[in-house]
Amino acid sequence: GAGVSQTPSNKVTEKGKYVELRCDPISGHTALYWYRQSLGQGPEFLIYFQGTGAADDSGLPNDRFFAVRPEGSVSTLKIQRTERGDSAVYLCASSQGNTQYFGPGTRLTVL
Amino acid sequence: DAKTTQPPSMDCAEGRAANLPCNHSTISGNEYVYWYRQIHSQGPQYIIHGLKNNETNEMASLIITEDRKSSTLILPHATLRDTAVYYCIVRLQITQGGSEKLVFGKGMKLTVNP
Repeated sequence: GAGVSQTPSNKVTEKGKYVELRCDPISGHTALYWYRQSLGQGPEFLIYFQGTGAADDSGLPNDRFFAVRPEGSVSTLKIQRTERGDSAVYLCASSQGNTQYFGPGTRLTVL
Repeated sequence: DAKTTQPPSMDCAEGRAANLPCNHSTISGNEYVYWYRQIHSQGPQYIIHGLKNNETNEMASLIITEDRKSSTLILPHATLRDTAVYYCIVRLQITQGGSEKLVFGKGMKLTVNP
């Protein structure tokens, strides 16, 4: 079946702009996670949804970052007033149970 | 912080077994050992997980020591496509719905050479 998909695959933006990153989880998966991966590092947790609600948002670095999952399926990660330090690969994962399955990621570059 | 320690890199010859070590000396009784790998420019891929018994699936085998303080991931016949960063992760298991976040370290770069 279809895996986790993320769009766009690449996003280049200018400092100060607003961006939205989309994640389509595996059908039927109730849990959805966002991670961020900087060059040479392992992925870092950002936020976890169980259904429509954020069960754990302790990894969001500051209030410029926000994520929604209004219908319990697709999720959007929103970044306001982007900074050069936000440049990274943003990964989404979903699970129904204990194993998380990852998408290919969105590479965000802030110029 | 990650609860595991892995060497930064390892080389293996194609066709040979690759034995990837991981130390997790502070693991608690209800924490599982998970392995993921990440091939260049792709998302992490689940490999295998275990609690205390050895596990095997179509991708790999996981050997956990009796005291559970370390484990080894075994790729029985490494191929060039197994070149990747391998992450050993310790985490709680939750029975239904979602699960606890994954805490990744830097992982170990495995290079399979022809």
